[in-house]
Amino acid sequence: AQKVTQAQTEISVVEKEDVTLDCVYETRDTTYYLFWYKQPPSGELVFLIHRNSFDEQNEISGRYSWNFQKSTSSFNFTITASQVVDSAVYFCALSEAVVKAAGNKLTFGGGTRVLVKP
Amino acid sequence: KAGVTQTPRYLIKTRGQQVTLSCSPISGHRSVSWYQQTPGQGLQFLFEYFSETQRNKGNFPGRFSGRQFSNSRSEMNVSTLELGDSALYLCASSLVASGGSDEQFFGPGTRLTVL
Repeated sequence: AQKVTQAQTEISVVEKEDVTLDCVYETRDTTYYLFWYKQPPSGELVFLIHRNSFDEQNEISGRYSWNFQKSTSSFNFTITASQVVDSAVYFCALSEAVVKAAGNKLTFGGGTRVLVKP
Repeated sequence: KAGVTQTPRYLIKTRGQQVTLSCSPISGHRSVSWYQQTPGQGLQFLFEYFSETQRNKGNFPGRFSGRQFSNSRSEMNVSTLELGDSALYLCASSLVASGGSDEQFFGPGTRLTVL
């Protein structure tokens, strides 16, 4: 069975500080996909980034960056120079790719609430 | 392009009743998934539909069911409501069901309160 753990339940920072969110996952599959979603107070989940298990290249997209390490089953996410609008709950999620017809089924972590103070 | 729409946005029911929630995916998207979000259990996968067929099912009792229509719109039904069914129900759509890699676009959710 797959599992996603986000050990940090809440992080509070002051604007312009960097925020790193931890995510550890468990899966028996060799092919899988990892996602980060943001849930602002409005409730709608917003897709941020995703990475497949064969691509450990870490990238930066604007103020977002991620660190994917298969050796430690971690997929950490960093917001650089945080802003008040970044305040939200952030979810890490895992999707196993068993066969092409298997469809989409996300397993979510418990979420990390980020509060950015002005 | 319109996003995923869910109706109604808020719903109040009493125990024992049944409820039907609706989801309209993004135009052209053929896969629709449903998730339940509660403070205690977090976000949990309910089921996924693709081309009017249920492809995946989460670990929920048979009181939770769904269907998808030929235009990809989906409904989920919960019968014999229990207090624990109070939750935010989120619908997500994606272009194709291609083995887990698709970005899923989520709707605003339906907040169900069971009294």
